[in-house]
Formats: sequence, C-alpha cells, structure tokens
Amino acid sequence: GAVVSQHPSRVICKSGTSVKIECRSLDFQATTMFWYRQFPKQSLMLMATSNEGSKATYEQGVEKDKFLINHASLTLSTLTVTSAHPEDSSFYICSARQGRSEAFFGQGTRLTVV
Amino acid sequence: AQKVTQAQTEISVVEKEDVTLDCVYETRDTTYYLFWYKQPPSGELVFLIRRNSFDEQNEISGRYSWNFQKSTSSFNFTITASQVVDSAVYFCALIPTGGGNKLTFGTGTQLKVEL
Repeated sequence: GAVVSQHPSRVICKSGTSVKIECRSLDFQATTMFWYRQFPKQSLMLMATSNEGSKATYEQGVEKDKFLINHASLTLSTLTVTSAHPEDSSFYICSARQGRSEAFFGQGTRLTVV
Repeated sequence: AQKVTQAQTEISVVEKEDVTLDCVYETRDTTYYLFWYKQPPSGELVFLIRRNSFDEQNEISGRYSWNFQKSTSSFNFTITASQVVDSAVYFCALIPTGGGNKLTFGTGTQLKVEL
C-alpha cells in the first residue's frame, strides 16, 4: 500500500510551548489528509479534515486555534499544537487519501506535555 | 450518521486457535466502504482490507478471512491459526461512497494471542 510518514514519532514538550507534527505522503499525492487523536485504549477521534490549499474543517469540539492545521502541498500536512498543556498529551495520527481511495495512516506521534 | 460497533473489547486466545472479531455497522447510505485496520503496540494503523457494499463475496487472504453479511449489517474478521504476532487492536471502519470523507471507526477489539 501507499506510504504515509509521520514525524516525530515521540515528542516531549514543556507546558506552554508549541509542537509541530508533520504528515507526508511519500509515494502519492494526497488530496485530503485527516488528523486523529487517540486516547489510551480508545478509538480514533477525527479532529479535522484538510484539503490541499484550503482551510481545514474541524470536528465539533476541536479548537481550531489550538490545533493549527496546514496542508500547503499535496504531500505535506502539519498539525501544530499551540500552547500545549498536559491534557493535550495523547497519540496523534494522520491519514492521507488520494481521491476516493482508501486512507493510509502514518505511524502516529505520541505527545507528552510535562 | 454512521455507527460502527465492535462489541468485543478484548479477546484472549491460545496460539493456533481460530478467532473471529465481530463488526456491526449502521448507516443510511446505500453504498459504502467497510475497512479493517490493525494497530500493533507500536501504534501505526495497518490497512487490512476494504470492501465495497456492492460486493458481498467473502474474501480470504492467507490466514485472514472476512465475512460480509449485508442482511445483518455485519463485517466479521476471522484469523485462522492465530499467532502471537497477531496480537494487536483491530478496528473496523466505514465510509460512505456517495459523499463526505469521514471514516467512522469502531471502538476496537484488543486481541491477545498467547503461547
């Protein structure tokens, strides 16, 4: 299947700082990218959907000013967690699709805010 | 709105046993895709299968098989002769084909395969 690379895989940051997570589609052009959050032993919760060159669509309850999403090219989307707090600690995972094909997922990023 | 239910939160089996993971879904859409993903302890989601709602043929891939029953809105996944490496969380998911991008996930089933 197609390859989606997510970086970093783990990050620890201090409370109040911002963290950027990158999601790249390595061998295809991703017209749509998705960002999910997963709490321990729970399912994936969709945070937002982004289409290349346009603003992201956020799910209800997700603060767009806190979770900044940029999809500047067909191969790269970034999620920036601004002014991170311990409650933002979680596993974040991106996925990418080309047209109506299946979504392929990145390796995930485990964020710990201390 | 879509809903995917995986009633089994955790299953433990002994290696070489067969195991079936259940998935029941609800959707008003007449056409849709169903998926299974595997999430090993490392965290990444591994795509296993996509099934179009038009295609009710069962599928077999090695030790994996899938039983799609549209009449009961179920898409069950069976692992034959389970192995320790099969230990993971397995997610069932659904997306309508007619529009929208939102992949709806079930809550996942934790499968533990022991020696």
